[in-house]
Amino acid sequence: QLVLTQSPSASASLGTSVRLTCTLSIGHSRNAIAWHQLRPDRAPRFLMKLKGDGSHTKGDGIPDRFSGSSSGAERYLTISSLQSEDEADYFCQTYDTAFYWVFGGGTKLTVL
Amino acid sequence: EVQLVESGGGLVKPGGSLRLSCAASGFLFDDSPMVWVRRAPGKGLEWVSSINSISSYLWYAESVRGRFTISRDNSKNSLFLHMDSLRADDSGVYYCARVTSSAEIDLWGQGTPVTVSS
Repeated sequence: QLVLTQSPSASASLGTSVRLTCTLSIGHSRNAIAWHQLRPDRAPRFLMKLKGDGSHTKGDGIPDRFSGSSSGAERYLTISSLQSEDEADYFCQTYDTAFYWVFGGGTKLTVL
Repeated sequence: EVQLVESGGGLVKPGGSLRLSCAASGFLFDDSPMVWVRRAPGKGLEWVSSINSISSYLWYAESVRGRFTISRDNSKNSLFLHMDSLRADDSGVYYCARVTSSAEIDLWGQGTPVTVSS
């Protein structure tokens, strides 16, 4: 079974950094993932594709404040210099030929 | 401008039908696999269905297989989702999205809301 696990919530203060985690289930630790941002009343936004080696390709217009990294089965999204507009739900997503498109449960980020 | 715009959502009674549309612009639609993803109120994202660029492969989540039909018209840069036998748990915002060759979603529409209620 392919499962992506995310903490339901996270919080950090304005101007600081936060790291969100997406954990791939056993047997799928090599999968690349994508990070997406969902804000109320806005179209979801693709942030980046993140591979197991930590290399990542960001979407158009995504600020340098957003970065990705990997360690084993964990995929990280780091947001630095937090702004109020970063308050959103963040989802990771992957694909598998057996399970197709799979999403993590999402992390609700609160900017204090 | 590169964008996806969904339409067709609304209020429908249980057992009813609805057809969602997604208009694509600003990119080569007929080269792009596409997906529908939904988000129920207070829940996370759920993949619903996918279609490859030439409609030769269709995929459905178990929860909608046999009730939903995905299709596309490349001549009109449009993606569709026909939904039959709708149930309350089909309610939510439905997003169309573009998929890259390596299967990640890289472009989203703004979504169209579907409410199934008597």
